[in-house]
Amino acid sequence: EVQLLESGGGLVQPGGSLRLSCAASGFTFSSYAMDWVRQAPGKGLEWVSGISSSGRNTYYADSVKGRFSISRDNSKNTMYVEMNSLRAEDTAVYYCIKDRFSVTTYFDRWGQGTLVTVSS
Amino acid sequence: EMMMTQSPATLSMSPGERATLSCRASQSVSSNLAWYQQKPGQAPRLLIYDASTRATGIPARFSGSGSGTEFTLTISSLQSEDFALYYCQQYNSWPRTFGQGTKVEIK
Repeated sequence: EVQLLESGGGLVQPGGSLRLSCAASGFTFSSYAMDWVRQAPGKGLEWVSGISSSGRNTYYADSVKGRFSISRDNSKNTMYVEMNSLRAEDTAVYYCIKDRFSVTTYFDRWGQGTLVTVSS
Repeated sequence: EMMMTQSPATLSMSPGERATLSCRASQSVSSNLAWYQQKPGQAPRLLIYDASTRATGIPARFSGSGSGTEFTLTISSLQSEDFALYYCQQYNSWPRTFGQGTKVEIK
């Protein structure tokens, strides 16, 4: 059974940093692209970032480009996102996503999410 | 950026009725479109991909159609568990983008 377990969320001040992790199990992690999708309170879904199965290719939404950095460690079956210069508008539940293929397409499996709150 | 527009924002339906949800892309996305269902307090789940292929375990009452810029998600006979939020998402171009969602509520 596919399991995606996010961690690292919490309260951070504007301008601060946070690193989210996603521990994956139940599938061959190194074969699939992975993504982060976020949902602000009471709002819709926003794709944030994606990383190819090998980790060589990374992609970002314009809203986070230059501030967020996605990575993965295939030996640990874990994906990360380093979030810097955080803003109030980054407040959201961040979902870890297993993609269907080795590059980001559609979102096959979702974690339960971790809440990031950016506030002073 | 590809804009995805869903309509209507809210659909008020009764159990057993047929629901039709629309999703329009600002440019052609070919058939690179997915649909997701989200219930309160839960993560979304994949319903449909490649515009018309049901994901594993999705009941046959859910069907998707369309290509290019116009897409439809149809729920043939609404069950109590189908009242939820529905999102479309394109994966034809970067960045991947979602529609704003359609809420299917009980009338």
